[in-house]
Amino acid sequence: DAGVIQSPRHEVTEMGQEVTLRCKPISGHNSLFWYRQTMMRGLELLIYFNNNVPIDDSGMPEDRFSAKMPNASFSTLKIQPSEPRDSAVYFCASSDSYNEQFFGPGTRLTVL
Amino acid sequence: DQQVKQNSPSLSVQEGRISILNCDYTNSMFDYFLWYKKYPAEGPTFLISISSIKDKNEDGRFTVFLNKSAKHLSLHIVPSQPGDSAVYFCAASKAGTASKLTFGTGTRLQVTL
Repeated sequence: DAGVIQSPRHEVTEMGQEVTLRCKPISGHNSLFWYRQTMMRGLELLIYFNNNVPIDDSGMPEDRFSAKMPNASFSTLKIQPSEPRDSAVYFCASSDSYNEQFFGPGTRLTVL
Repeated sequence: DQQVKQNSPSLSVQEGRISILNCDYTNSMFDYFLWYKKYPAEGPTFLISISSIKDKNEDGRFTVFLNKSAKHLSLHIVPSQPGDSAVYFCAASKAGTASKLTFGTGTRLQVTL
């Protein structure tokens, strides 16, 4: 099993540009999570999906952030327009059980 | 409002000794707790968990203790090994929202030779 796949691994962009992060969950997992990691706040849950349906997006910081899961094997997190304070590592995780989540390697986003 | 707190950002322990990582939580609705380990440039990986109906869970060198009255849990690693050097995250979930985990800010453990 390839595990959770995220792309790109690194993204450097300029303020105001649109950024799209991608995630492929583990096959058979029915829950998908997007997290953001920063030094100050640690790992924050942004949004999670169950059976492709968004269940809780209360962690999405602003309207500039949006997430979609068009099918069971793909999800995107989009930031438009991006700002320097969005610089962080973004993780995607998936789960087939109540609690244990399997994380991808993360995307390190730098907004200049 | 940090509902899960890891007040020690870093910890240094000598190889072979015990490492104790602490975690406090404020929400009494949390009923399941997990520890994740993270190496640089990798995603967190699940280490060990404990349900609120227990006060201890052991897996090899790793033991998690839960004190519900104090809203405190700890992870003990005995003996500590250099490969244990990583960032450790504590996480918690509430009954009825089993999929949603609330993470602490992490503790960086360094095991020295």
